[in-house]
Amino acid sequence: AQKITQTQPGMFVQEKEAVTLDCTYDTSDPSYGLFWYKQPSSGEMIFLIYQGSYDQQNATEGRYSLNFQKARKSANLVISASQLGDSAMYFCAMRGLIQGAQKLVFGQGTRLTINP
Amino acid sequence: DGGITQSPKYLFRKEGQNVTLSCEQNLNHDAMYWYRQDPGQGLRLIYYSQIVNDFQKGDIAEGYSVSREKKESFPLTVTSAQKNPTAFYLCASARREEPDTQYFGPGTRLTVL
Repeated sequence: AQKITQTQPGMFVQEKEAVTLDCTYDTSDPSYGLFWYKQPSSGEMIFLIYQGSYDQQNATEGRYSLNFQKARKSANLVISASQLGDSAMYFCAMRGLIQGAQKLVFGQGTRLTINP
Repeated sequence: DGGITQSPKYLFRKEGQNVTLSCEQNLNHDAMYWYRQDPGQGLRLIYYSQIVNDFQKGDIAEGYSVSREKKESFPLTVTSAQKNPTAFYLCASARREEPDTQYFGPGTRLTVL
């Protein structure tokens, strides 16, 4: 069964510092995708970044990068030069084949607070 | 503008009443999904539909029902059989060719009194 684990319930970081949000996953499927979403207090889920299991390079999107370590089954999100607007819940998710269909499985999330 | 709409943003109901949450998309997506989120938790899949007139149970379907009569609409009914219905409900859609890229609506916060 697919499983996502986020071990950091909350993190506090000073503005402009870099921050790493941890995510480990478990799957027996050789083909999978890993995602990070941001959820501000308003509730909508905002897609940030995607990493495919066969991608050789770590994914990057602006200030976001995904530190993909396949052997360790980890997919940590790195946010460089954090901003006050980065304060939100962050969810790691994995696309897996469940009951014959591709579905997303989410972790429990990490609440990130950026301090001025 | 294309997107997903969910209405209303906040919904209050008395215990024992059925309630239907709306989800509409104009992205021409084949696949649609309903998730439930409890405070401090991740999303859990309730139901999903990959094509009109077809839908499948997710991980926590008990106490919920859906219909998919039109491509753009995927309403979720929270029935009185759902023992703990108070939660935040998110709808999402995706192209069938790209199920990875799910677009989410703004969510409906349901409170059962």
